[in-house]
Amino acid sequence: QKEVEQNSGPLSVPEGAIASLNCTYSDRGSQSFFWYRQYSGKSPELIMFIYSNGDKEDGRFTAQLNKASQYVSLLIRDSQPSDSATYLCAARSSNYQLIWGAGTKLIIKP
Amino acid sequence: EADIYQTPRYLVIGTGKKITLECSQTMGHDKMYWYQQDPGMELHLIHYSYGVNSTEKGDLSSESTVSRIRTEHFPLTLESARPSHTSQYLCASRQNVDTEAFFGQGTRLTVV
Repeated sequence: QKEVEQNSGPLSVPEGAIASLNCTYSDRGSQSFFWYRQYSGKSPELIMFIYSNGDKEDGRFTAQLNKASQYVSLLIRDSQPSDSATYLCAARSSNYQLIWGAGTKLIIKP
Repeated sequence: EADIYQTPRYLVIGTGKKITLECSQTMGHDKMYWYQQDPGMELHLIHYSYGVNSTEKGDLSSESTVSRIRTEHFPLTLESARPSHTSQYLCASRQNVDTEAFFGQGTRLTVV
């Protein structure tokens, strides 16, 4: 079982709709969580990070963390074609390593 | 914009050659990482360092070595390149264990 799991997709969402990306983790001691966006052939870039239970909003993006359920999600409101990319979830584990999910490919259809 | 740089961006090299991929950052970060990523696939950690003279192997055995003589510099060396080493290599750094990792632009390596 992978330590950080994501559905590989592709997840297809109409333009203007809400895209919901999910991530589960196995290490209950994980403390901080990161969402990265990676365009094809490019390097990952940070979208958001979250440390505390609940929601954290930044513009069109909302990260949600539920430590009891070991679940992190990223919501993208008013999805744009430029949001089409692979989204990587990462968790800082209890042994201080950064553990990466395999990523979810998101396609926003005009 | 992240101040982490990788050279070369692209490299085509023959089997058996020794190569060094360069990574430098100007942010003063102690923690640096090398990842290997095939197109459309996940990141695989191959080496990491938590400071000068500290290096560790990651999950993927890539037959490579690293050194960390200076904080800002973390080169990756392949002693004898093979076609199986063809991939994208990404270098990253971060300030501490709970801060974001910044990535370089990557080196796309092709071994023929």
